[in-house]
Amino acid sequence: GAVVSQHPSRVICKSGTSVKIECRSLDFQATTMFWYRQFPKQSLMLMATSNEGSKATYEQGVEKDKFLINHASLTLSTLTVTSAHPEDSSFYICSARDPTGGFPNEKLFFGSGTQLSVL
Amino acid sequence: GENVEQHPSTLSVQEGDSAVIKCTYSDSASNYFPWYKQELGKRPQLIIDIRSNVGEKKDQRIAVTLNKTAKHFSLHITETQPEDSAVYFCAAAYTGGGNKLTFGTGTQLKVEL
Repeated sequence: GAVVSQHPSRVICKSGTSVKIECRSLDFQATTMFWYRQFPKQSLMLMATSNEGSKATYEQGVEKDKFLINHASLTLSTLTVTSAHPEDSSFYICSARDPTGGFPNEKLFFGSGTQLSVL
Repeated sequence: GENVEQHPSTLSVQEGDSAVIKCTYSDSASNYFPWYKQELGKRPQLIIDIRSNVGEKKDQRIAVTLNKTAKHFSLHITETQPEDSAVYFCAAAYTGGGNKLTFGTGTQLKVEL
């Protein structure tokens, strides 16, 4: 399947700092990427849809000024957690849609995730 | 929006037995139903998916069934092996709406020797 790379895999930061997470599609162009958040032993909750060249679409309850998303190219989306606090500690994971199968056969592939710990 | 329920939350089976995980969805417009396997701290891996124009799909020991009328779909794993132990998530999406997945709550499958 398609490869989605996510970095860093783990980050520990102090409260009040900002953290940037990168998501790259390595062998396909992704016009749309998705950012999820997963707490321990819980499901993946969609935070936002990242659209190349336009503003991200945020899910209800997700603060767009706190979770900044940039999708500047067809292979890269970034999520920046601004002024991180301990309650932001979570597993963040991106996914990208591989369009090469053609609609409606597009499949979603996930990055390896980023474990964020805010002290 | 879409709501996906998944049962059971935990499932323990003996090696070689079958395992069945069930999901229901609420939005009749959903037409794509993937299943993911996630090991601890790892990314979800797509193991099988089904589209609404198909009632059943099989891939070796894994099969998925879909009942559109009842709005439920199930994952069947036969001849389970210890390496099948993981958390399994079902999901639903409407591909005409950007393929935004709504996930179920997950099932922790444990295959015991």
